Amino acid sequence: EADIYQTPRYLVIGTGKKITLECSQTMGHDKMYWYQQDPGMELHLIHYSYGVNSTEKGDLSSESTVSRIRTEHFPLTLESARPSHTSQYLCASSEVGPRERRDEQYFGPGTRLTVT
Amino acid sequence: AQSVAQPEDQVNVAEGNPLTVKCTYSVSGNPYLFWYVQYPNRGLQFLLKYITGDNLVKGSYGFEAEFNKSQTSFHLKKPSALVSDSALYFCAVRDSGKAAGNKLTFGGGTRVLVKP
Repeated sequence: EADIYQTPRYLVIGTGKKITLECSQTMGHDKMYWYQQDPGMELHLIHYSYGVNSTEKGDLSSESTVSRIRTEHFPLTLESARPSHTSQYLCASSEVGPRERRDEQYFGPGTRLTVT
Repeated sequence: AQSVAQPEDQVNVAEGNPLTVKCTYSVSGNPYLFWYVQYPNRGLQFLLKYITGDNLVKGSYGFEAEFNKSQTSFHLKKPSALVSDSALYFCAVRDSGKAAGNKLTFGGGTRVLVKP
């Protein structure tokens, strides 16, 4: 079992609220990722980070923002939640290290967000 | 640009029969290929990967995958499926070139249903 954690696991919130989805890993991985998984099951990369103070937009445009102040922590924030943000959000991490272990992404359990 | 396709939304198989989940990819350079599995209400779990070397890769839970460069495919196989293999399976690819960074591109997922 990978040491990557997401909280909350489930969240139901009203439109206009500010929310932060937490993601933490204890593996010392430099690289971290946020994916959005829609009801049709597809995974879309929305943010990634290659290390502290590094954040990049992913392939899918998202109104969320991320920060990476500590290696182990990669929170995702929505300033004003809308029903269109309803989705499953998956956090992942990977290490830079030996080639044989590079690129393997370890995923958290996900946060299922519902905006009413 | 890199892309991956999983042509089947769902695969149904009887327990004890062979299981195949198809994946084809497109990259400009050499591919790094991955399979992940997602059980209900869980994050993705790494199954296996192809980086270089033998075209037949063995992974967790008795799964294996065969890299076929001429057909640009990386099909996932299991000789004898179990009911507990019922899950969502994702193929992923990234170009081995540095310009691609470490971003994986995921396929749309294939739901596997193993019936007793």
